[in-house]
Amino acid sequence: GESVGLHLPTLSVQEGDNSIINCAYSNSASDYFIWYKQESGKGPQFIIDIRSNMDKRQGQRVTVLLNKTVKHLSLQIAATQPGDSAVYFCAESGNQGGKLIFGQGTELSVKP
Amino acid sequence: GAVVSQHPSRVICKSGTSVKIECRSLDFQATTMFWYRQFPKQSLMLMATSNEGSKATYEQGVEKDKFLINHASLTLSTLTVTSAHPEDSSFYICSRRPLAGGTDTQYFGPGTRLTVL
Repeated sequence: GESVGLHLPTLSVQEGDNSIINCAYSNSASDYFIWYKQESGKGPQFIIDIRSNMDKRQGQRVTVLLNKTVKHLSLQIAATQPGDSAVYFCAESGNQGGKLIFGQGTELSVKP
Repeated sequence: GAVVSQHPSRVICKSGTSVKIECRSLDFQATTMFWYRQFPKQSLMLMATSNEGSKATYEQGVEKDKFLINHASLTLSTLTVTSAHPEDSSFYICSRRPLAGGTDTQYFGPGTRLTVL
């Protein structure tokens, strides 16, 4: 079925380095994408979103890139900090009544 | 600050009992809320869409008679796990969308950890 997947289940980076988390989606009708951060034992926290009419959006230390040609989404975190350690999920939404489809998640570990 | 709350945060119950989980939208009226289940080291799986004033819409494979959803007001949705069994042990998370359209962003509650003995 339709799904959103990730290339890397785990990612370990050094504090201060940049992190890139990738996501592939298969539903070409999806027009809205969101990145969430989930810390252990907590609910997902909104990080950044992007609509399909854009290919790049920047926030504070985070950038989301969307490549609709290859159905690829990425989250870049600049100057990664220990507090960024968490599981990151991408999610997609299309004409489905607001339903979100989540990817499998990438666990980011930041080494001090 | 938090826009969605859940109660309780943790619950342990005996097999065969029923457990009710509350989801409240704190800053916004929400005609639509969503209930997810998450097993350890796995992604969120949508269980059902909770609609204020009408029946919930369940995802394929989710038993509606086992997971009862009530959305009686614009700020409260409840999920009742009936006759819980150990395989129902999971992390249950709700989310909400704004009353008005314009965005599909969902804001999530802190989750409820259910352990069935």
